[in-house]
Amino acid sequence: QQQVKQSPQSLIVQKGGIPIINCAYENTAFDYFPWYQQFPGKGPALLIAIRPDVSEKKEGRFTISFNKSAKQFSLHIMDSQPGDSATYFCAAKARYGGSQGNLIFGKGTKLSVKP
Amino acid sequence: NAGVTQTPKFQVLKTGQSMTLQCAQDMNHEYMSWYRQDPGMGLRLIHYSVGAGITDQGEVPNGYNVSRSTTEDFPLRLLSAAPSQTSVYFCASSDWGYNEKLFFGSGTQLSVL
Repeated sequence: QQQVKQSPQSLIVQKGGIPIINCAYENTAFDYFPWYQQFPGKGPALLIAIRPDVSEKKEGRFTISFNKSAKQFSLHIMDSQPGDSATYFCAAKARYGGSQGNLIFGKGTKLSVKP
Repeated sequence: NAGVTQTPKFQVLKTGQSMTLQCAQDMNHEYMSWYRQDPGMGLRLIHYSVGAGITDQGEVPNGYNVSRSTTEDFPLRLLSAAPSQTSVYFCASSDWGYNEKLFFGSGTQLSVL
C-alpha cells in the first residue's frame, strides 16, 4: 500500500512557468512533510519542509501548500529556471513510533524546464 | 566536509555473488539508513539504524543484511545477489528525533547479471 502518492510522474514547463507537484498521504500520524530535490548522478537533498500547523511555507522561489483536511500537499516553483530541472520527491514521516519515524517517499516527479 | 561517503560508486556482480556496500558519515549522526532507487518506484527503505548496535528492517529488507558496530559506519551486505537487486543504493544519515533532515550519499549503482 503506497502511503505517499505523488503526481505527475513527469512535467515539462517553459522557463518562467510555475510547475506544481502534488502529493497525498493516508496516515494521519504523519506530521512532517519535506520535499527533496535530486540532480542526475547525485543523492537527494532537502529542499523545503512543512509541518501541519501551517498551511503554507515559502523559501525563495519554492512554496509548499498544505491541506490537512484533504491530506494533501504540493510544491510550487515560481519563475522556474532550467537549473531547476531535476527529480523532486515528496516525503512524510511521523514524529515518533518505530518504523513510522522513517521518511516515506513518493515515487518522484521528473521536471524539465525548457529555456 | 565529507558528509556521507559511499563506496563503491559502481559495481557489477554475477548472480549469487556477495558484496558489501560501504557507508560512512562524519557528522556524528545517530540515525543511518539505506534506500534503493528504482525507475518509477521512488526511494524505498531497506534497513535503518537509530544508533550503534541497533538496526531494524524497512520496507524492502529481503536479501540484505546490515550491522552498526560504530556510529560512523553502516555497511549493507548482499549475501547472494539477484538480478532484482539491480538498483541505485543510497545511504543517508540524520540526527534522530525532531531534526529530520536526511543527508544522502552520492549513491552506488549496482548491476547484477
